[in-house]
Amino acid sequence: GENVEQHPSTLSVQEGDSAVIKCTYSDSASNYFPWYKQELGKRPQLIIDIRSNVGEKKDQRIAVTLNKTAKHFSLHITETQPEDSAVYFCAASRNDMRFGAGTRLTVKP
Amino acid sequence: NAGVTQTPKFRILKIGQSMTLQCTQDMNHNYMYWYRQDPGMGLKLIYYSVGAGITDKGEVPNGYNVSRSTTEDFPLRLELAAPSQTSVYFCASTRDGVGYTFGSGTRLTVV
Repeated sequence: GENVEQHPSTLSVQEGDSAVIKCTYSDSASNYFPWYKQELGKRPQLIIDIRSNVGEKKDQRIAVTLNKTAKHFSLHITETQPEDSAVYFCAASRNDMRFGAGTRLTVKP
Repeated sequence: NAGVTQTPKFRILKIGQSMTLQCTQDMNHNYMYWYRQDPGMGLKLIYYSVGAGITDKGEVPNGYNVSRSTTEDFPLRLELAAPSQTSVYFCASTRDGVGYTFGSGTRLTVV
């Protein structure tokens, strides 16, 4: 089955700086790569996703890049704000979505 | 639309007891999933279904069973509960494999 690895496990940045989280996947048949934000005690919330036929996607301060050849994808958050502090998960899917272990992002005011 | 509804929200089980976690969606989604999330960890896929009458094992199926007799419902059965099954359980659904909708979760403690 698919195996998703995510780095780093924790990330601390100053407000206004950029944050980058990286993931790799093992199954070349995976074709859908979402990113989720999870706040304490809440369900995961989709923040951005990308399909395998697209190399990059941007939504305001958030962008995702995908390199299918290397089987890795990344989340970029620019101009970070304290409310961006949360745990972020990457995932990869064909029909069965598998998650990375998560990155705890802390944005210091 | 209510989306994905999970019941109960909280449950305490004794070792060896059994229970069924309920999951219902009203979006006519074909695909449904069960995940568990241990404290401070990522989500692990337990079972999934691509349509009524079809189920498949995920990463951590041992100790669980599922059925999918209708498009709307995807119950998760725990037989002989063990402390290792203490976790938060999330149900999710999607129409065509993208844009998963998650339920609010069931927090299960086995003592």
